[in-house]
Formats: sequence, C-alpha cells, structure tokens
Amino acid sequence: NAGVTQTPKFQVLKTGQSMTLQCAQDMNHEYMSWYRQDPGMGLRLIHYSVGAGITDQGEVPNGYNVSRSTTEDFPLRLLSAAPSQTSVYFCASSYDISVNEKLFFGSGTQLSVL
Amino acid sequence: RKEVEQDPGPFNVPEGATVAFNCTYSNSASQSFFWYRQDCRKEPKLLMSVYSSGNEDGRFTAQLNRASQYISLLIRDSKLSDSATYLCVKNTGTASKLTFGTGTRLQVTL
Repeated sequence: NAGVTQTPKFQVLKTGQSMTLQCAQDMNHEYMSWYRQDPGMGLRLIHYSVGAGITDQGEVPNGYNVSRSTTEDFPLRLLSAAPSQTSVYFCASSYDISVNEKLFFGSGTQLSVL
Repeated sequence: RKEVEQDPGPFNVPEGATVAFNCTYSNSASQSFFWYRQDCRKEPKLLMSVYSSGNEDGRFTAQLNRASQYISLLIRDSKLSDSATYLCVKNTGTASKLTFGTGTRLQVTL
C-alpha cells in the first residue's frame, strides 16, 4: 500500500493562477480531508469528505474547491491563487474519523504564491 | 481562547532526561484526544491516543485530566530521535471537528 499520495511536493504560482493539488489513497478510507499549516496557526481544516459524492467545508474553505468522485481521490482546487494561500498543504484520510480512527497524512505540498 | 493551546517551546533537554508537555483545551464536550508527532518538513504521524485512565507506550505516557481540561505527554529517557514537534489534537466525534494545537517543539541534545 502506498498510503496517501500527494502531488506536487512543491509549487510556485503567480497571483490569479489556478491549480489543483492531487490526493489519492489506496486504503479504502471513507474520510478524506485537506489541511493547511501555517507558522503559529497549527493545522486548519479546509474541506473534508465522508465518502464519494459528499464534501463539506472546514474552518478555512474560502478560495478552495473540492470534489470526491471516487473513494480514492480528493483533489483540492485553488481557483485564483492569492499570496495568503502560501502555505503547506496536507491531505489526510481515515477509515472513520467519528470513531477516532487515526489520520494518515500525505507528505505535503509546499505552495508559494507570488 | 483557542480550542487547543500548547506551549510552543522549544524545550531543550539533554539525552536521557525526562520531559513533559501539557496541552489545555476548551469545550468540555471534547470526546477524545491524541498526540501526533511531526518531524521538520514532514507530515504529522499519530504517536498515541490519550485515555482518561492514562496510557503508556514504552517511554511515552499520556494523561487526560477532564476536570482541569488538559492533557499531558511525558517522555522518559529522551533520545536524540525524539526531537520533533508534538501536536495535541482533540476530537469531538463529528466528521469535521479534529482540532490541532500549534505544537510543542522538543530538541534533545547530547
């Protein structure tokens, strides 16, 4: 099992550009989520999904879209990148977060928006 | 008040020392708690869950005090490889409510 695979590892964008961060897991996890991590802020939830076809907003959803067409994939789209979106992004999955199953994280994407 | 608060550190300790971190939380409805470890520029990984009765995993002991709303992590006989940031996490049991603290950085030195 590869676990949670996140691509790309690094990305530089110009303000206003759009891009998609890819996330895939091969553990048949129902729960998938995206976090951003900023210095002094901790990990903050952007969007999450409890199964294919179901998504919901987290704490900081503005400027991001997600979709969940399959159990395996949960891409995060930046519609029009802004410098405030410079951050490290982590995708995470779990069998069932509501029963306290642990989160498995991808290796992260370092995004810089100029 | 933040939902989960941690002393950012760094805690600088010599190898072999015992070190303890606390994490305070708000919202008494919080159901369960965890410690995650994050190495520099890496993803977080689950270190251990925290149970009301306290639990131990080798050199690591976690405690939960619901009355005072804090959890603790004790590391005995610190190793150089324990150097990392330790994240306190609480889960209220709903899909979205996994809240991370900002982390406590530990540096173990020779």
